Amino acid sequence: DADVTQTPRNRITKTGKRIMLECSQTKGHDRMYWYRQDPGLGLRLIYYSFDVKDINKGEISDGYSVSRQAQAKFSLSLESAIPNQTALYFCATSDWARGTQYFGPGTRLLVL
Amino acid sequence: GQNIDQPTEMTATEGAIVQINCTYQTSGFNGLFWYQQHAGEAPTFLSYNVLDGLEEKGRFSSFLSRSKGYSYLLLKELQMKDSASYLCAVKRDDKIIFGKGTRLHILP
Repeated sequence: DADVTQTPRNRITKTGKRIMLECSQTKGHDRMYWYRQDPGLGLRLIYYSFDVKDINKGEISDGYSVSRQAQAKFSLSLESAIPNQTALYFCATSDWARGTQYFGPGTRLLVL
Repeated sequence: GQNIDQPTEMTATEGAIVQINCTYQTSGFNGLFWYQQHAGEAPTFLSYNVLDGLEEKGRFSSFLSRSKGYSYLLLKELQMKDSASYLCAVKRDDKIIFGKGTRLHILP
């Protein structure tokens, strides 16, 4: 079984719609992250959380929000989707010691 | 960006050796990771360096020079399955900052 899971794996939505991407992990890590990946731009950090009560903005948080419902769950919301949010989204977890990131399989999002 | 530089693309031949370089700003440096990412898949961890020197792990080795802000990933005995992107990532304080990745093409 996968340690980090993401749902949905693919999503097509329309401009202006609210959508939520969900992430769950069984690694027992406190730290969780959301990234987006675009061709030629690499992985960019959207939000990160070091425990249930800790939420921090990353490099590109505008237009996104997150919720850390439990140690194992971290969801990303697009309040009003726009076409330039079309991307591949990855959730990741890490331990506190070294910080090695363990990634989920990704969610491919298309905003029309 | 966060000034992590690596070549965009490289090409090598099956069975050969290839070195992928990464340079970064040294301020706040606290460790360096290399990840492998096949097209359409998630990145997977390859190596971690926090002290100067070479870390060897099978066909893959990673080198770090903290004073020069320089690392490389060395892949030996290249196989077709090594065709992928290789991501250099720097740990600064509690954040991990990724480079844009190097796409490696392997020719038979």
